[in-house]
Amino acid sequence: QKEVEQNSGPLSVPEGAIASLNCTYSDRGSQSFFWYRQYSGKSPELIMSIYSNGDKEDGRFTAQLNKASQYVSLLIRDSQPSDSATYLCAVRGLYGNKLVFGAGTILRVKS
Amino acid sequence: GAVVSQHPSWVICKSGTSVKIECRSLDFQATTMFWYRQFPKQSLMLMATSNEGSKATYEQGVEKDKFLINHASLTLSTLTVTSAHPEDSSFYICSASQGGTQHFGDGTRLSIL
Repeated sequence: QKEVEQNSGPLSVPEGAIASLNCTYSDRGSQSFFWYRQYSGKSPELIMSIYSNGDKEDGRFTAQLNKASQYVSLLIRDSQPSDSATYLCAVRGLYGNKLVFGAGTILRVKS
Repeated sequence: GAVVSQHPSWVICKSGTSVKIECRSLDFQATTMFWYRQFPKQSLMLMATSNEGSKATYEQGVEKDKFLINHASLTLSTLTVTSAHPEDSSFYICSASQGGTQHFGDGTRLSIL
């Protein structure tokens, strides 16, 4: 079983819709959770971080964390074609700064 | 804030050459930096953790004698790919940790002919 799992996609949504990206993790001791966006040929850029159960909103992005279910998600409201990218879920354990990345979900927003 | 600069962005060289990649945190000090490798359509794979003033910690399967890491200051880590071969061609990305959050450089695309 992979430590961090994501559906590879592609996830296709129409412009203006809500895109929902999901991630599950295996280590119950994980403490910190991150969503990165990666455009083709570019390095990842941080979108959101979340550390406690519940929702965290930042503009059009909402991260949701459920530690009991070992599940973290990212919602993108009013999706734009510029949101088309690969979204990487990353998890950090209790000790150290090392991140474990999922394989990423490809999002395509169609205009 | 939290800008990480990586240089060079693109390298093409002959097989057997050694290539050095630099990673700098421009506006913060980073005691820990990380080196990743990403093959096409795959996720990031951590190669090693670079700690300022001490030896790097390599992930299983990564040859420490082939991928030399030096973290001589709080703002600079270097990765040297020694005697590079075509199979070492990949996208190498560094990150620097600030407050537990990793900020990534722009990456180095390495092509070995």
